[in-house]
Amino acid sequence: GAVVSQHPSWVICKSGTSVKIECRSLDFQATTMFWYRQFPKQSLMLMATSNEGSKATYEQGVEKDKFLINHASLTLSTLTVTSAHPEDSSFYICSARGLGGNEKLFFGSGTQLSVL
Amino acid sequence: AQKITQTQPGMFVQEKEAVTLDCTYDTSDPSYGLFWYKQPSSGEMIFLIYQGSYDQQNATEGRYSLNFQKARKSANLVISASQLGDSAMYFCAMREGISGGYNKLIFGAGTRLAVHP
Repeated sequence: GAVVSQHPSWVICKSGTSVKIECRSLDFQATTMFWYRQFPKQSLMLMATSNEGSKATYEQGVEKDKFLINHASLTLSTLTVTSAHPEDSSFYICSARGLGGNEKLFFGSGTQLSVL
Repeated sequence: AQKITQTQPGMFVQEKEAVTLDCTYDTSDPSYGLFWYKQPSSGEMIFLIYQGSYDQQNATEGRYSLNFQKARKSANLVISASQLGDSAMYFCAMREGISGGYNKLIFGAGTRLAVHP
C-alpha cells in the first residue's frame, strides 16, 4: 500500500528556534497534503492544506507566518514551525492524497515536537 | 457547529467480544465520505474503513464493519471478535464531497478502546 514518510518522528528544540518537519509520499505522487496538529488526548485539528506548486490554504486561527508550508514537489511537503515556543509543543501529523482523488488518505507516522 | 460527534470517550470490551463505537455526523452536502481510523499509542493513523454517502451497502473490511444509517446520520464502527491489539484510539472522520478537489477530513474527538483479556 501507499506509504507516507514523516521525519523526524520526534524533536526537542529551544524556544525561539525553528523546526522543519518533512512529509514524503514514497510510492505515489501526492497533489495534496494535509497538516494536522494533535494535542494530548485530543483529536486531530487540520492546520492547512498544502497543494503542489501553489500556496497553502490555512484553517482559521492558524498563523501562516508561524507555520510555513512548502509543497515544492509531488512527493514532498514541509512544515516549518518558526520561532517555536512551548505552546507549540504538540504532535504534528501529515497526510497525503494521491492523483485521481483516492478516497483514502495516507498518514505519516507523526512528529512529536517539544519546545523547551 | 460540530460536524463529527463521538460521544464515547472510552470503551471497554472483553477479548473475543464485539464492540460498537458510535459516530454521528452533520452535513448538508449530499455527497460525503465517512472514515474510521485507528491510532495506537505510537501515533500513526491507520485507515480502517470507508463509507460513501451513496453506497447502498454497509462497508466491511475483515473484522470491521460500518453500520451506516443515513437518515439518522450515524456511522458506527463495529469490531467483531476483539483482540488485545485492538486497544487504541479510534477516530471517525468525514469528508464533504465524494472525490476530487482538496476536500479535507474533519475528525471527531475519538474513542479510546481498551480490550481486556
